[in-house]
Amino acid sequence: EVQLVESGGGLVQPGGSLRLSCAASGFTFSRYSMTWVRQAPGKGLEWVANIKQDGSEKYYVDSVKGRFTISRDNAKNSLYLQMNSLRAEDTAVYYCAREGLADDYLDYWGQGTLVTVSS
Amino acid sequence: DIQMTQSPSSLSASVGDRVTITCRASQSIIIYLNWYQQKPGKAPKLLIYAASSLQSGVPSRFSGSGSGTHFTLTISSLQPEDFATYYCQQSYSTPPYTFGQGTKLEIK
Repeated sequence: EVQLVESGGGLVQPGGSLRLSCAASGFTFSRYSMTWVRQAPGKGLEWVANIKQDGSEKYYVDSVKGRFTISRDNAKNSLYLQMNSLRAEDTAVYYCAREGLADDYLDYWGQGTLVTVSS
Repeated sequence: DIQMTQSPSSLSASVGDRVTITCRASQSIIIYLNWYQQKPGKAPKLLIYAASSLQSGVPSRFSGSGSGTHFTLTISSLQPEDFATYYCQQSYSTPPYTFGQGTKLEIK
């Protein structure tokens, strides 16, 4: 059974940093690209970043470029999102998701972790 | 970046109704269009990928169509468990793979 479990969310002050983790199991992690998606309270889904299977390619939405870094450790079956210079507008539930092998749809999602940026 | 626009933003319907949700892209995305269902407090669930391919385990009352810039999600006969928010997402070329703003489907 495919499982994705996020952790690392919490309350952080504006300008602070946080590192999210996503532990993957039930599939060969190194074969799949992975994505972070976020959802602000009461709002829609926003694609944040993705990373290819070997970490060679990474993409970001403009609003987080230069502040967030996506990475992975295939030996540990883990995905990460390092978030620096956090702003109030980064407050959201952050989901990790697996991309399908044949196309870039998101076929499995974690339960999400809440990040709150507030003083 | 490619912009995705869904319509309507909200929709009221009854059990047994046929419902169609539309998604338009700001440029051609060929068939790189996916649909997700999200219920309150839950993670999104993939319904349709590549515009019309039904994800494994998804009931056949869900269907998708379209190409280029115009796409639709149809639920042929609404069931009580279908009341949720639906999102389209484009996955054409290089990221970011933007989502539509969502369509909230409510019980009439």
